[in-house]
Amino acid sequence: GAVVSQHPSWVICKSGTSVKIECRSLDFQATTMFWYRQFPKQSLMLMATSNEGSKATYEQGVEKDKFLINHASLTLSTLTVTSAHPEDSSFYICSARARDRRSTFGSGTRLTVV
Amino acid sequence: LAKTTQPISMDSYEGQEVNITCSHNNIATNDYITWYQQFPSQGPRFIIQGYKTKVTNEVASLFIPADRKSSTLSLPRVSLSDTAVYYCLVGDIGRDDKIIFGKGTRLHILP
Repeated sequence: GAVVSQHPSWVICKSGTSVKIECRSLDFQATTMFWYRQFPKQSLMLMATSNEGSKATYEQGVEKDKFLINHASLTLSTLTVTSAHPEDSSFYICSARARDRRSTFGSGTRLTVV
Repeated sequence: LAKTTQPISMDSYEGQEVNITCSHNNIATNDYITWYQQFPSQGPRFIIQGYKTKVTNEVASLFIPADRKSSTLSLPRVSLSDTAVYYCLVGDIGRDDKIIFGKGTRLHILP
């Protein structure tokens, strides 16, 4: 079946630094990738949608200069949290959509900013 | 995108059948219904998808009435490991619709 690898699974960083999260579709080409953020006991909140080779589309209220998304190939998308602050601490999840429209989620990245 | 409404939480016991119902009154003609399961600190996992009537796979069944304004996810003989959050999503998989999650149902299985 379709597999999406998300790395790292957890990361701790100092306030003010940047963190990059990778999302790879291992056995299929992802025409579209989605990035979500999830706070404890809450649902997933869509942050942005990215299509290979084009700029990401951000949801309202999500700062595009803070959350940089790159979708350089059909199998890789990255989310960079720039100048991270404690309030950015959250669980970040990516999802990759194949040509058959089935979406597969990564295992998530727990970001803690100290 | 059709909005969905699910119970916030449910409790059940091991070995029981659990049915979680989702309301989607504004479902569109081309919309499919998809259910995901999420364990703590993991990404959602696809469970089942359907358009109408009944769909069954190795882990669950999905019942969709003729008017398609609701759907019921049925988990047969649950175990403690089925404790998770279950999300019902409605969307047109033929288009590049965004996947928007509702609040989900927190299912707690008791021994």
